[in-house]
Amino acid sequence: QSVLTQPPSVSGAPGQRVTISCTGSSSNIGADYSVHWYQQLPGTAPKLLIYDNSNRPSGVPDRFSGSKSGTSASLAISGLQAEDEADYYCQSYDGSLSAWVFGGGTKLTVL
Amino acid sequence: QVQLQQWGAGLLKPSETLSLTCAVSGGSFSGNYWSWIRLPPGKGLEWIGEINHSGSTNYNPSLKSRVTISVDTSKIQLSLNLNSVTAADTAVYYCARAAIAHAFDIWGQGTMVTVSS
Repeated sequence: QSVLTQPPSVSGAPGQRVTISCTGSSSNIGADYSVHWYQQLPGTAPKLLIYDNSNRPSGVPDRFSGSKSGTSASLAISGLQAEDEADYYCQSYDGSLSAWVFGGGTKLTVL
Repeated sequence: QVQLQQWGAGLLKPSETLSLTCAVSGGSFSGNYWSWIRLPPGKGLEWIGEINHSGSTNYNPSLKSRVTISVDTSKIQLSLNLNSVTAADTAVYYCARAAIAHAFDIWGQGTMVTVSS
């Protein structure tokens, strides 16, 4: 059971917009710790997609955006492309556990 | 361009010790924390622990009693030891660099470790 809760799967057609939620609690996201997002393509290591809630590293397309509110965060992907099909993970810090924590991951399927 | 190259034994028996090493190349070792993270089959990512260049460590409380992370600054390498492994420790293990706001911006290629009798 992951500390951060994500939907197991989401799907969308090419060109559409999808969002992936990441729900935490008052000891992690709600305590104003930053949220980061990762994309993991099959057979590869995770890749940093969004850091510090809403910032994109160099090279990440602006189709990817992040937001945070209260005890939750969201990753939005617009203009969905076949190459976006991957697993996505959120990450934050939990002050009660004194540990960096991740969500259980969301599998994105491009229909 | 910082790169991480990791290696270690991929098949262990229950009660043995998992040992992995991660070499850092192409950049500075100091100024960052370096973590070990694992991905069990069918589950989410789990942070194991971290170390900086001076050897200061932080561990996930759920694994702390079995984990040791060390650093060899002369070789610019970090190592992970996890003792008394069980099938529940079967996972892909990654080393990663913590950057701005402790986001993991650079990852090793991953090492699949299977624990089976």
